[in-house]
Amino acid sequence: DIQMTQSPSSLSASVGDRVTITCRASRPISDYLAWFQQKPGKAPKSLIYGASSLQSGVPSKFSGSGSGTDFTLTISSLQPEDFATYYCQQYDSYPLTFGGGTTVEIK
Amino acid sequence: QVQLVESGGGVVQPGRSLRLSCSASGFTFNSYGMHWVRQAPGKGLEWVAVISYDGSNKYYADSVKGRFTISRDNSKNTLYLQMDSLRAEDTAFYYCTKDQFRSIVVVEVPLDYWGQGTLVTVSS
Repeated sequence: DIQMTQSPSSLSASVGDRVTITCRASRPISDYLAWFQQKPGKAPKSLIYGASSLQSGVPSKFSGSGSGTDFTLTISSLQPEDFATYYCQQYDSYPLTFGGGTTVEIK
Repeated sequence: QVQLVESGGGVVQPGRSLRLSCSASGFTFNSYGMHWVRQAPGKGLEWVAVISYDGSNKYYADSVKGRFTISRDNSKNTLYLQMDSLRAEDTAFYYCTKDQFRSIVVVEVPLDYWGQGTLVTVSS
């Protein structure tokens, strides 16, 4: 199975900050990498697929990069609605696997 | 608009069975692979199972293989998860989610829409 390791597991940031979350796959997955946002009590929401393609309707302050084993999700200017938990996920092979999550909290 | 609505969750004793359903609308259900993903309360996401658009291919997480069965009824636009021999560690919110793209294979396709989830609690 492909292990997905996210870091940090949590971070505190202020409104307007630039935030970067990293995700590492245990073996190369090309660009078969997605990012999801989850708010408390809600279902995950897809933000990015193909490592860097923005889902329709997702604001451009979100961006993704990387290929192979190392990936990043960047939020360019954090807003109150962005405080949530973010998960990376590989869909290169089964079983599909998720990172452990990064909780973005208000400083 | 795409809608996925799960149902069938509840409290069940260890060793018993439960069947979850996911009613789909707003897209051509019989053209997309479908998945179940679960999340134990306060924990991360765990993929459970996938079924291809026509039901011919299925894959399972090792943690549920041999106990859970994924199926679909394309005439009813409904996805199912039959859960047998339930254990305490199966306690979780169960989400159904769809492949983003039509594909004859079930690999290398991202997920897009998710249902709101249904809670399964396994407890005596």
